[in-house]
Amino acid sequence: AQSVSQHNHHVILSEAASLELGCNYSYGGTVNLFWYVQYPGQHLQLLLKYFSGDPLVKGIKGFEAEFIKSKFSFNLRKPSVQWSDTAEYFCAVRNAGNMLTFGGGTRLMVKP
Amino acid sequence: DTEVTQTPKHLVMGMTNKKSLKCEQHMGHRAMYWYKQKAKKPPELMFVYSYEKLSINESVPSRFSPECPNSSLLNLHLHALQPEDSALYLCASSQVGGDWEAFFGQGTRLTVV
Repeated sequence: AQSVSQHNHHVILSEAASLELGCNYSYGGTVNLFWYVQYPGQHLQLLLKYFSGDPLVKGIKGFEAEFIKSKFSFNLRKPSVQWSDTAEYFCAVRNAGNMLTFGGGTRLMVKP
Repeated sequence: DTEVTQTPKHLVMGMTNKKSLKCEQHMGHRAMYWYKQKAKKPPELMFVYSYEKLSINESVPSRFSPECPNSSLLNLHLHALQPEDSALYLCASSQVGGDWEAFFGQGTRLTVV
């Protein structure tokens, strides 16, 4: 069965610090990869996605992620976080069977 | 239009009630999904419909009954729920096959009393 792991459950950063959130998945076939963000009390929003091609993908709000196939990883990065980035971040993987599986989530708190 | 619309936004129901959650999209997507999200947890897949047919049921109890009456609508019928079923229920839609992203609705926050 497919699984998605996010190693950091809680991250606390000061404004302007750099962010990297880890995501690893177990499925060996072709995958689509996503990062979603959920602000407090709000619905899931897509930050960025990887389908194919350039493994470095850029998303909204200054986020980017790098797909490293050999490591089964899709880590999320942002050079300088803001207080408004406080949210929960979910990595998700979709396999050929049309199933979208979420990681356990990382709760990010940015201190002003 | 890239919206997935869910109604109602909030629902409180007793354990003997019957209620339904509704989801609608007009993006021409032929796959639709129900997810359940408990507080501080990731969304968990419940059901997947492809071309209006149930293709995945993640061992969901029969007190949850999905229905896909046409390609734009997805319902989740609820009956005899338990308090532990209280959660945010998310609907999503996508294309079938190829590369796609799922579009999520805002969810229905369900409280079972």
